[in-house]
Amino acid sequence: EIVLTQSPGTLSLSPGERATLSCRASQSVTGNYLAWYQQKPGQAPRLLMYGASSRATGIPDRFSGSGSGTDFTLTIGRLEPEDFAVYYCQDYGTSPYTFGQGTKLEIK
Amino acid sequence: EVQVVESGGGLVQPGGSLRLSCAASGFTFSTYWMNWVRQAPGKGLEWVANIKQDGSEIKYVDSVKGRFTISSDNAKNSLYLQMNSLRAEDTAIYYCSVAGVSSSTLYIYWGQGTLVTVSS
Repeated sequence: EIVLTQSPGTLSLSPGERATLSCRASQSVTGNYLAWYQQKPGQAPRLLMYGASSRATGIPDRFSGSGSGTDFTLTIGRLEPEDFAVYYCQDYGTSPYTFGQGTKLEIK
Repeated sequence: EVQVVESGGGLVQPGGSLRLSCAASGFTFSTYWMNWVRQAPGKGLEWVANIKQDGSEIKYVDSVKGRFTISSDNAKNSLYLQMNSLRAEDTAIYYCSVAGVSSSTLYIYWGQGTLVTVSS
């Protein structure tokens, strides 16, 4: 089973700033099948990125993903108020399709 | 418009059983997978099980193997999760999702979840 470790656990930033979230895998993610999700309180997760660097339909271009193998990054170029939420990475290449523990992005 | 709606959650005693259902509509993938993902109160996401739309592939997380059974009805675009021998640690919101690829783009649609509480 691949273990995904996200850092930091909490990130405190102001609107307009740039956010960098990390997801590190215990072993190489098959085919770079790494997804990122955003979840707001009381809501289901929303797919942001797949294949490590492809934006899902309808996702603004201030969101970008990068990385390969075991190290992946989600970058939010210029934070909008609606971006403050919890973000999860997921390996969807190898069962069990584990999630990271999440990074909470909060307003500073 | 794609709609995914879960039902069947509720309060059940430890050792009891519950069957969750998920009705999905509005999508036209030729190949897709349906998933159950859960989230314990105040915790992160945990993938539970999935099934390919033709039933040819089924996978589970180890913690539910032998206790939970995922199944689907293609004609109804419906997904089920039979949960037996329930434990307190199974308490969570259970989300259903549909994942498919169209024109090389991955789509994942989620329901709003159904709450399962295992308690005496």
